[in-house]
Amino acid sequence: AQSVTQLGSHVSVSEGALVLLRCNYSSSVPPYLFWYVQYPNQGLQLLLKYTTGATLVKGINGFEAEFKKSETSFHLTKPSAHMSDAAEYFCAVRVGGSQGNLIFGKGTKLSVKP
Amino acid sequence: DAEITQSPRHKITETGRQVTLACHQTWNHNNMFWYRQDLGHGLRLIHYSYGVQDTNKGEVSDGYSVSRSNTEDLPLTLESAASSQTSVYFCASSEGPYNEQFFGPGTRLTVL
Repeated sequence: AQSVTQLGSHVSVSEGALVLLRCNYSSSVPPYLFWYVQYPNQGLQLLLKYTTGATLVKGINGFEAEFKKSETSFHLTKPSAHMSDAAEYFCAVRVGGSQGNLIFGKGTKLSVKP
Repeated sequence: DAEITQSPRHKITETGRQVTLACHQTWNHNNMFWYRQDLGHGLRLIHYSYGVQDTNKGEVSDGYSVSRSNTEDLPLTLESAASSQTSVYFCASSEGPYNEQFFGPGTRLTVL
């Protein structure tokens, strides 16, 4: 069975500071991993995804994530936070054997202080 | 451009009424999903469909039903709305098992 744990329901950083949002997963099959972003009163947008190949994945808006199998982690980072990054971020893992069902973490709300 | 739309965007209803939320996608995706989003719970899967005439129950399917008569639409019906079904509902679609899901803008449902 698959599961996703996002550490920290709320993260606050200063503008220009490093953003680090943590995601750990469990999966009985090689994982397909996703990060989504949700701005207020909107649906979810894909930031980036890991399927196979390179373990460092680059996404939109300067975000990237590294797949670390030994640590079962897929943490999301951005070197320098912008005010526009304030949103809720969700990590998700594909359900093995499904036609693309995802299991989502509970989300991390990112606040950016000026 | 292809898109996924939901209607209505906001709905207020009374306990016991039947409510249907619409979801329409122009991606021509076979897979469609309905989620509800609640504080502290993230997104939870209600129902999903892998194609026309196919429907499956998700994690929180009690009190909900779906039908898939064509590729583009997956309406979600609340048979007898309850206050516990007050939530934000999202529809999503995907091309296949290894592809990302695309989300609609959501429907905010309030059951009084």
